[in-house]
Amino acid sequence: EPEVTQTPSHQVTQMGQEVILRCVPISNHLYFYWYRQILGQKVEFLVSFYNNEISEKSEIFDDQFSVERPDGSNFTLKIRSTKLEDSAMYFCASTAGSYEQYFGPGTRLTVT
Amino acid sequence: GDSVTQMEGPVTLSEEAFLTINCTYTATGYPSLFWYVQYPGEGLQLLLKATKADDKGSNKGFEATYRKETTSFHLEKGSVQVSDSAVYFCAALNSGYSTLTFGKGTMLLVSP
Repeated sequence: EPEVTQTPSHQVTQMGQEVILRCVPISNHLYFYWYRQILGQKVEFLVSFYNNEISEKSEIFDDQFSVERPDGSNFTLKIRSTKLEDSAMYFCASTAGSYEQYFGPGTRLTVT
Repeated sequence: GDSVTQMEGPVTLSEEAFLTINCTYTATGYPSLFWYVQYPGEGLQLLLKATKADDKGSNKGFEATYRKETTSFHLEKGSVQVSDSAVYFCAALNSGYSTLTFGKGTMLLVSP
């Protein structure tokens, strides 16, 4: 069964460093999402992406964040200068346009 | 904005016990409602969904009914198994390509 994959599974970085989280959505899907979950808190929407542009973003998704689909398969989330409060589990999701969003296993980001 | 509230965990049950995890929502209009499950070390998997009032979603022995009058979507299972131990997330979606609003998640621990 097709699945969304994410790499790395765990990323440790120092405050102020740039990180790139990678996702490979399901191949025929057109809509892509990033969500995050700070430990013990809700899963929160960050950004959605369609037709090579951002279609919606939350207040969390400020200028420190960017997304890109650099080729036909990868979907990346970049944090330019990480802060301690960026430590969270980051989930990528994709959908073909139905109500079901398929999620990856997540990347745990730890900022020290 | 939309919000989803679900009961605090962990919920600890013995095998074959009856499970209820409460979920209520506030939203403009009538969202589609979902339960996602996250097994240890894995991503979010769609467990069941309901797209309109009075719909019942069901899967793997779990059920939830979309109750518009009480704005609820409680998850139930008649007889839990150890393998059901996981974190369960209630979520709402306002349109097909929109973003999911999640509850905080409820951890279920089932002992033999």
